[in-house]
Amino acid sequence: DAKTTQPTSMDCAEGRAANLPCNHSTISGNEYVYWYRQIHSQGPQYIIHGLKNNETNEMASLIITEDRKSSTLILPHATLRDTAVYYCIVRSAGGTSYGKLTFGQGTILTVHP
Amino acid sequence: EAQVTQNPRYLITVTGKKLTVTCSQNMNHEYMSWYRQDPGLGLRQIYYSMNVEVTDKGDVPEGYKVSRKEKRNFPLILESPSPNQTSLYFCASSFHGGPEAFFGQGTRLTVV
Repeated sequence: DAKTTQPTSMDCAEGRAANLPCNHSTISGNEYVYWYRQIHSQGPQYIIHGLKNNETNEMASLIITEDRKSSTLILPHATLRDTAVYYCIVRSAGGTSYGKLTFGQGTILTVHP
Repeated sequence: EAQVTQNPRYLITVTGKKLTVTCSQNMNHEYMSWYRQDPGLGLRQIYYSMNVEVTDKGDVPEGYKVSRKEKRNFPLILESPSPNQTSLYFCASSFHGGPEAFFGQGTRLTVV
């Protein structure tokens, strides 16, 4: 699976959009971009995933650049409960390791009042 | 409610005393796995199972055993725990090829 690079930490004001970047310059054609978050030692929580098109769900939006070498997770109206570690993961859809998630260090997002 | 349940949530034990951490999911998922989380090392996969009676090693399997006799259960066994297995453990499950993994709430294990 391709390696990802994320900033160590970011701050965001409550009610504003939080934009979390991720670089994955070695991503291959069959690899998806996944985002998970972990709130204070709870189990990680799936947020969103995508291949090449932008995606949106009730939690967030995922913007993937045309060359797929980077992506941005957008939380449109951050709340204090969005304070967490956010993980960007690149993973292929098939193969024997299809279920494995390789977590990096992630980005610590702190939402301020 | 769809969930992955781990027990116990907290456990303090002594070196060498065998223990089992249970994991159960109610979503009929084929794929289940165990991770450990340590400061500075992140989450690392210990073992995984692609279906009943099918298990395989992850990245850090030493000192652990697993079994998958039923689809819903995937216990983690420490035959002879050592202090370096003090960690936060998570069980996860997902559908075959599915994008979303569901994680349990974690088991904080301390081996003294």
